Amino acid sequence: DAMVIQNPRYQVTQFGKPVTLSCSQTLNHNVMYWYQQKSSQAPKLLFHYYDKDFNNEADTPDNFQSRRPNTSFCFLDIRSPGLGDAAMYLCATSRGGGGTGELFFGEGSRLTVL
Amino acid sequence: RKEVEQDPGPFNVPEGATVAFNCTYSNSASQSFFWYRQDCRKEPKLLMSVYSSGNEDGRFTAQLNRASQYISLLIRDSKLSDSATYLCVKENGGFKTIFGAGTRLFVKA
Repeated sequence: DAMVIQNPRYQVTQFGKPVTLSCSQTLNHNVMYWYQQKSSQAPKLLFHYYDKDFNNEADTPDNFQSRRPNTSFCFLDIRSPGLGDAAMYLCATSRGGGGTGELFFGEGSRLTVL
Repeated sequence: RKEVEQDPGPFNVPEGATVAFNCTYSNSASQSFFWYRQDCRKEPKLLMSVYSSGNEDGRFTAQLNRASQYISLLIRDSKLSDSATYLCVKENGGFKTIFGAGTRLFVKA
């Protein structure tokens, strides 16, 4: 059974139209991450939560926001998507405590911006 | 310079071949190292952790050289199912995990 679930798997939006991507986990992990991955590129860390403690990467655009209302759920909000935001968005979790350890990824949400 | 650099490949090898990937990194604060595997249009999955003493898991051997700041992955007796992108990953602490862009491997019959 899938342990990190992302919805939707595919999202098509128009330029400037807000989008929300969701992630849920059944692992009860403390840490949740959002990565952006463009074709043939490395997954790029956008931000992560340790419990409710939010950590934003310095180069993450302000256009990207996140919410974690409880341990199980995390959301990625893209306020005004541009063509350059088309990518695969990967949610991941880890146990936390003593380092990252293994990251468990969801299957990703592929965003297309028209 | 990127924190994690990998040869993008692709590496095209016949079944049964031995293939090695290298990865170099910067930032000596790096604490932990991993190899992940990513199939086409799928999510990354952990292949193995990498330890200074070297570690082996079946046909896969990983090695870390902190002095030279590189890690390696050796795949012996390649299978068709090994075809994928192999991502070199390091953790700097504070849950900041940095991925390389990956090395693509194609194993042919």
